Amino acid sequence: AQRVTQPEKLLSVFKGAPVELKCNYSYSGSPELFWYVQYSRQRLQLLLRHISRESIKGFTADLNKGETSFHLKKPFAQEEDSAMYYCALSRGSGSEKLVFGKGTKLTVNP
Amino acid sequence: GAVVSQHPSWVICKSGTSVKIECRSLDFQATTMFWYRQFPKQSLMLMATSNEGSKATYEQGVEKDKFLINHASLTLSTLTVTSAHPEDSSFYICSAGSGSSYNEQFFGPGTRLTVL
Repeated sequence: AQRVTQPEKLLSVFKGAPVELKCNYSYSGSPELFWYVQYSRQRLQLLLRHISRESIKGFTADLNKGETSFHLKKPFAQEEDSAMYYCALSRGSGSEKLVFGKGTKLTVNP
Repeated sequence: GAVVSQHPSWVICKSGTSVKIECRSLDFQATTMFWYRQFPKQSLMLMATSNEGSKATYEQGVEKDKFLINHASLTLSTLTVTSAHPEDSSFYICSAGSGSSYNEQFFGPGTRLTVL
């Protein structure tokens, strides 16, 4: 069975500091990994996906198959980055269901 | 961009009554929609996968007779909580699959259900 682990429930950093939100997964096949973000009082939205290898709002995430990790990083955090971040996994392409981690609440202090 | 709406955004009902929640994809057709439940300060738990024109696939532990799902068209899926009880109070969120090879899902704003 697929499982996604986000070890940190809460993460607090100061503005301008680097931030890393950890995500580990377990799945025997070749998964697709995603990061979703939920800003206060807003719906969940896709931040980035590993197959796109893109940087969104300064965030990047690299899939490390050896360590089964997909950590989210940003070199200089901004106050507007404060939100709930969810790592998610699906088994492959197409309309596959997502398995979510428990989420990490990021707070960026001024 | 793709937009998913939910109606109602919040509902309060008496114990024993049934409540229907609608999920619509406004500007795209979704052959697959997903229903999640989110408890306060917790993650999303997938309840079921709704496929247009066929029966929904429920996750383990989810009572299909209690949470009725209908996906009658490519833009509408409904979740009916039958004989609701206080323990069914939760935040229910739907998402619609884009059907693209990227497997992106677009989420609705959620429905807050409170059962008295």
